[in-house]
Amino acid sequence: GAVVSQHPSRVICKSGTSVKIECRSLDFQATTMFWYRQFPKKSLMLMATSNEGSKATYEQGVEKDKFLINHASLTLSTLTVTSAHPEDSSFYICSANGNTGELFFGEGSRLTVL
Amino acid sequence: QKEVEQNSGPLSVPEGAIASLNCTYSDRVSQSFFWYRQYSGKSPELIMSIYSNGDKEDGRFTAQLNKASQYVSLLIRDSQPSDSATYLCAVPLTGGYNKLIFGAGTRLAVHP
Repeated sequence: GAVVSQHPSRVICKSGTSVKIECRSLDFQATTMFWYRQFPKKSLMLMATSNEGSKATYEQGVEKDKFLINHASLTLSTLTVTSAHPEDSSFYICSANGNTGELFFGEGSRLTVL
Repeated sequence: QKEVEQNSGPLSVPEGAIASLNCTYSDRVSQSFFWYRQYSGKSPELIMSIYSNGDKEDGRFTAQLNKASQYVSLLIRDSQPSDSATYLCAVPLTGGYNKLIFGAGTRLAVHP
């Protein structure tokens, strides 16, 4: 099946710094990717839809200036958490539709902000 | 705004028993429904998808959909300890099947 890969799987950073998370579709092209955030023991919350070649669409309550999304190619979307704070510590997961329409998830990236 | 409701559990069942997981949704026009399994610290993986009323079976898993009552369930037969995970019900936010809204998930514990 289609594979979506995320990097890094874990990242620890100091408060105030920015962190970039990459999401790649390995064997298919993805014009649209989705970014989710999951807090401990909570469900996945859709943050934004990443569109290749155009601006991302953010869900209500998600700060677009804080969570910068770039989808520069058909196989890569990046999420940058700018000026990270401890409350941004979370599990960030990307997803993309494979060629058959099924939604595949990346392995997730756990961000810890000290 | 669509809502997807699940009992958070934990649902504890003995090994070999049938585990029954339920989900209700608020949007009457939803056409696609998905069950994902998520192990602790891992990302979700698709278990079942169902689009029509009735039952859909895949190995030990059976998804049941009742659009009139707006619920979808997942049955796991012959439960194994390896089935212990959180099961997430998901419904598309739009008419397609890409932008999903997830329920809070039901934690299943299968004990030997």
